[in-house]
Amino acid sequence: GEDVEQSLFLSVREGDSSVINCTYTDSSSTYLYWYKQEPGAGLQLLTYIFSNMDMKQDQRLTVLLNKKDKHLSLRIADTQTGDSAIYFCAESIGGGGGNKLTFGTGTQLKVEL
Amino acid sequence: DVKVTQSSRYLVKRTGEKVFLECVQDMDHENMFWYRQDPGLGLRLIYFSYDVKMKEKGDIPEGYSVSREKKERFSLILESASTNQTSMYLCASSFGQGYGYTFGSGTRLTVV
Repeated sequence: GEDVEQSLFLSVREGDSSVINCTYTDSSSTYLYWYKQEPGAGLQLLTYIFSNMDMKQDQRLTVLLNKKDKHLSLRIADTQTGDSAIYFCAESIGGGGGNKLTFGTGTQLKVEL
Repeated sequence: DVKVTQSSRYLVKRTGEKVFLECVQDMDHENMFWYRQDPGLGLRLIYFSYDVKMKEKGDIPEGYSVSREKKERFSLILESASTNQTSMYLCASSFGQGYGYTFGSGTRLTVV
Protein backbone atom coordinates (compact mmCIF):
# COMPACT_ATOMS: atom_id res chain seq x y z
CA GLY A 1 0.00 0.00 0.00
CA GLU A 2 0.93 3.64 -0.19
CA ASP A 3 1.48 5.71 2.91
CA VAL A 4 3.73 8.76 3.26
CA GLU A 5 4.53 10.12 6.72
CA GLN A 6 6.05 13.37 7.91
CA SER A 7 6.34 15.10 11.26
CA LEU A 8 3.86 17.98 11.53
CA PHE A 9 6.09 20.81 12.81
CA LEU A 10 9.68 22.01 12.70
CA SER A 11 11.08 25.21 14.18
CA VAL A 12 14.56 26.56 13.36
CA ARG A 13 16.50 29.78 13.81
CA GLU A 14 17.28 31.97 10.84
CA GLY A 15 20.65 31.00 9.35
CA ASP A 16 20.55 27.42 10.65
CA SER A 17 19.98 24.37 8.47
CA SER A 18 16.55 22.75 8.37
CA VAL A 19 16.06 19.04 7.80
CA ILE A 20 12.59 17.80 6.94
CA ASN A 21 12.08 14.05 6.95
CA CYS A 22 9.68 11.76 5.16
CA THR A 23 9.09 8.01 5.15
CA TYR A 24 7.19 6.05 2.56
CA THR A 25 6.15 2.44 2.35
CA ASP A 26 5.90 1.65 -1.37
CA SER A 27 9.26 0.36 -2.61
CA SER A 28 8.15 0.64 -6.25
CA SER A 29 8.15 4.46 -6.12
CA THR A 30 9.94 5.86 -9.17
CA TYR A 31 10.07 9.58 -8.40
CA LEU A 32 9.93 11.37 -5.07
CA TYR A 33 9.09 15.06 -4.82
CA TRP A 34 9.25 17.97 -2.44
CA TYR A 35 6.63 20.71 -2.64
CA LYS A 36 6.34 24.00 -0.77
CA GLN A 37 3.06 25.68 0.16
CA GLU A 38 3.06 29.28 1.31
CA PRO A 39 0.03 30.64 3.21
CA GLY A 40 -3.06 30.94 1.05
CA ALA A 41 -1.38 29.46 -2.01
CA GLY A 42 -1.25 26.21 -3.94
CA LEU A 43 1.75 23.88 -3.87
CA GLN A 44 4.94 24.77 -5.69
CA LEU A 45 7.37 22.08 -6.89
CA LEU A 46 10.75 22.56 -5.20
CA THR A 47 12.72 19.57 -6.39
CA TYR A 48 12.47 15.88 -7.16
CA ILE A 49 14.72 12.83 -7.16
CA PHE A 50 14.61 9.69 -9.26
CA SER A 51 14.62 6.46 -7.31
CA ASN A 52 18.01 5.32 -8.66
CA MET A 53 19.72 8.36 -7.13
CA ASP A 54 20.70 8.80 -3.50
CA MET A 55 21.39 12.52 -3.47
CA LYS A 56 20.48 15.64 -5.40
CA GLN A 57 21.65 19.19 -4.70
CA ASP A 58 20.08 22.36 -6.01
CA GLN A 59 21.47 25.60 -4.54
CA ARG A 60 20.41 25.67 -0.87
CA LEU A 61 18.41 22.44 -1.17
CA THR A 62 19.82 18.93 -0.70
CA VAL A 63 17.64 15.85 -1.11
CA LEU A 64 18.80 12.54 0.36
CA LEU A 65 17.15 9.24 -0.49
CA ASN A 66 17.69 6.01 1.43
CA LYS A 67 15.79 3.38 -0.54
CA LYS A 68 16.61 0.59 1.88
CA ASP A 69 14.91 2.43 4.74
CA LYS A 70 12.37 4.17 2.46
CA HIS A 71 13.47 7.51 3.91
CA LEU A 72 13.61 10.84 2.11
CA SER A 73 14.91 14.10 3.54
CA LEU A 74 15.09 17.73 2.44
CA ARG A 75 17.86 19.90 3.85
CA ILE A 76 17.60 23.66 3.51
CA ALA A 77 20.89 25.42 4.15
CA ASP A 78 21.01 28.93 5.65
CA THR A 79 17.25 28.93 6.35
CA GLN A 80 15.55 32.30 5.84
CA THR A 81 12.23 33.70 7.07
CA GLY A 82 10.95 33.35 3.52
CA ASP A 83 11.36 29.58 3.85
CA SER A 84 8.54 29.49 6.43
CA ALA A 85 5.88 27.33 4.78
CA ILE A 86 4.40 23.83 4.73
CA TYR A 87 6.60 21.26 2.97
CA PHE A 88 5.10 18.15 1.43
CA CYS A 89 6.88 15.07 0.20
CA ALA A 90 5.17 12.95 -2.44
CA GLU A 91 5.82 9.66 -4.18
CA SER A 92 4.96 8.60 -7.70
CA ILE A 93 4.37 4.97 -8.52
CA GLY A 94 5.60 3.88 -11.94
CA GLY A 95 3.41 2.50 -14.70
CA GLY A 96 -0.16 3.12 -15.78
CA GLY A 97 -1.77 6.40 -16.76
CA GLY A 98 -2.31 9.48 -14.72
CA ASN A 99 1.02 9.94 -12.92
CA LYS A 100 -0.73 9.71 -9.57
CA LEU A 101 1.13 11.17 -6.59
CA THR A 102 0.61 10.27 -2.94
CA PHE A 103 1.37 13.15 -0.60
CA GLY A 104 2.50 13.20 3.00
CA THR A 105 0.69 15.13 5.70
CA GLY A 106 3.03 18.11 5.34
CA THR A 107 5.61 19.64 7.73
CA GLN A 108 5.03 23.20 8.91
CA LEU A 109 8.43 24.93 9.00
CA LYS A 110 8.66 27.99 11.23
CA VAL A 111 11.79 30.14 10.97
CA GLU A 112 12.50 32.29 14.01
CA LEU A 113 14.71 35.37 14.15
CA ASP B 1 3.71 32.15 -17.54
CA VAL B 2 2.06 28.75 -17.46
CA LYS B 3 -0.91 28.41 -15.20
CA VAL B 4 -3.54 26.33 -13.52
CA THR B 5 -6.48 28.59 -12.74
CA GLN B 6 -9.23 27.78 -10.27
CA SER B 7 -12.32 29.89 -10.76
CA SER B 8 -12.93 30.89 -7.13
CA ARG B 9 -10.61 31.50 -4.17
CA TYR B 10 -13.42 31.44 -1.59
CA LEU B 11 -16.87 29.93 -1.81
CA VAL B 12 -19.70 29.63 0.71
CA LYS B 13 -22.55 27.25 -0.09
CA ARG B 14 -25.55 25.86 1.74
CA THR B 15 -26.03 22.20 2.68
CA GLY B 16 -27.72 20.33 -0.16
CA GLU B 17 -26.65 22.72 -2.91
CA LYS B 18 -24.97 21.45 -6.08
CA VAL B 19 -21.50 22.96 -6.27
CA PHE B 20 -19.20 23.26 -9.29
CA LEU B 21 -15.48 23.89 -8.89
CA GLU B 22 -13.76 24.76 -12.14
CA CYS B 23 -10.12 24.31 -13.09
CA VAL B 24 -8.43 25.36 -16.33
CA GLN B 25 -4.83 24.78 -17.42
CA ASP B 26 -3.01 26.32 -20.37
CA MET B 27 -0.09 23.89 -20.62
CA ASP B 28 -1.67 21.21 -22.84
CA HIS B 29 -1.21 18.69 -20.00
CA GLU B 30 -2.80 15.27 -20.38
CA ASN B 31 -3.29 14.64 -16.68
CA MET B 32 -5.45 16.60 -14.26
CA PHE B 33 -6.24 16.03 -10.60
CA TRP B 34 -8.51 17.17 -7.79
CA TYR B 35 -7.29 16.99 -4.19
CA ARG B 36 -8.73 18.20 -0.93
CA GLN B 37 -6.46 19.48 1.82
CA ASP B 38 -7.36 19.26 5.50
CA PRO B 39 -5.14 20.06 8.50
CA GLY B 40 -3.21 17.02 9.71
CA LEU B 41 -4.39 14.90 6.77
CA GLY B 42 -2.31 16.39 3.97
CA LEU B 43 -3.64 16.13 0.43
CA ARG B 44 -6.10 13.40 -0.46
CA LEU B 45 -6.87 12.52 -4.06
CA ILE B 46 -10.54 12.77 -5.02
CA TYR B 47 -10.51 12.12 -8.76
CA PHE B 48 -8.08 12.32 -11.64
CA SER B 49 -8.19 12.23 -15.42
CA TYR B 50 -5.50 11.25 -17.91
CA ASP B 51 -7.43 12.12 -21.06
CA VAL B 52 -10.50 13.94 -22.28
CA LYS B 53 -13.68 12.22 -21.13
CA MET B 54 -11.63 9.81 -18.99
CA LYS B 55 -11.86 9.81 -15.21
CA GLU B 56 -10.56 7.64 -12.42
CA LYS B 57 -11.54 7.53 -8.76
CA GLY B 58 -8.95 8.56 -6.25
CA ASP B 59 -8.85 7.69 -2.57
CA ILE B 60 -11.94 9.63 -1.43
CA PRO B 61 -14.42 9.92 -4.35
CA GLU B 62 -17.62 9.55 -2.32
CA GLY B 63 -19.90 12.56 -2.64
CA TYR B 64 -18.03 13.94 -5.65
CA SER B 65 -18.09 13.59 -9.41
CA VAL B 66 -15.99 15.12 -12.19
CA SER B 67 -16.27 16.19 -15.79
CA ARG B 68 -13.59 16.57 -18.45
CA GLU B 69 -15.19 17.57 -21.74
CA LYS B 70 -12.14 19.49 -22.97
CA LYS B 71 -8.45 18.84 -22.40
CA GLU B 72 -7.86 22.12 -20.60
CA ARG B 73 -10.82 21.99 -18.21
CA PHE B 74 -11.48 19.64 -15.29
CA SER B 75 -14.53 20.28 -13.13
CA LEU B 76 -15.27 18.91 -9.67
CA ILE B 77 -18.94 18.55 -8.76
CA LEU B 78 -20.43 18.19 -5.31
CA GLU B 79 -23.87 16.75 -6.07
CA SER B 80 -25.35 17.69 -2.68
CA ALA B 81 -22.93 19.65 -0.52
CA SER B 82 -22.52 18.62 3.11
CA THR B 83 -20.71 20.29 5.99
CA ASN B 84 -18.00 17.60 6.01
CA GLN B 85 -17.02 18.78 2.52
CA THR B 86 -15.85 22.08 3.95
CA SER B 87 -12.20 22.08 2.90
CA MET B 88 -9.49 23.54 0.67
CA TYR B 89 -9.74 22.08 -2.84
CA LEU B 90 -6.65 22.00 -5.02
CA CYS B 91 -6.52 21.30 -8.75
CA ALA B 92 -3.29 20.19 -10.45
CA SER B 93 -2.11 19.18 -13.90
CA SER B 94 0.89 17.24 -15.20
CA PHE B 95 2.57 16.00 -18.39
CA GLY B 96 3.35 12.65 -16.85
CA GLN B 97 5.99 10.73 -14.91
CA GLY B 98 8.90 12.81 -13.70
CA TYR B 99 7.34 16.15 -14.46
CA GLY B 100 5.63 16.77 -11.14
CA TYR B 101 2.41 18.72 -10.84
CA THR B 102 1.50 22.35 -11.39
CA PHE B 103 -1.07 23.42 -8.83
CA GLY B 104 -3.76 26.06 -8.84
CA SER B 105 -4.08 28.48 -5.92
CA GLY B 106 -6.91 26.50 -4.36
CA THR B 107 -10.58 27.09 -3.55
CA ARG B 108 -11.54 27.31 0.08
CA LEU B 109 -15.10 25.97 0.24
CA THR B 110 -17.28 26.43 3.30
CA VAL B 111 -20.58 24.53 3.48
CA VAL B 112 -23.02 25.95 6.03
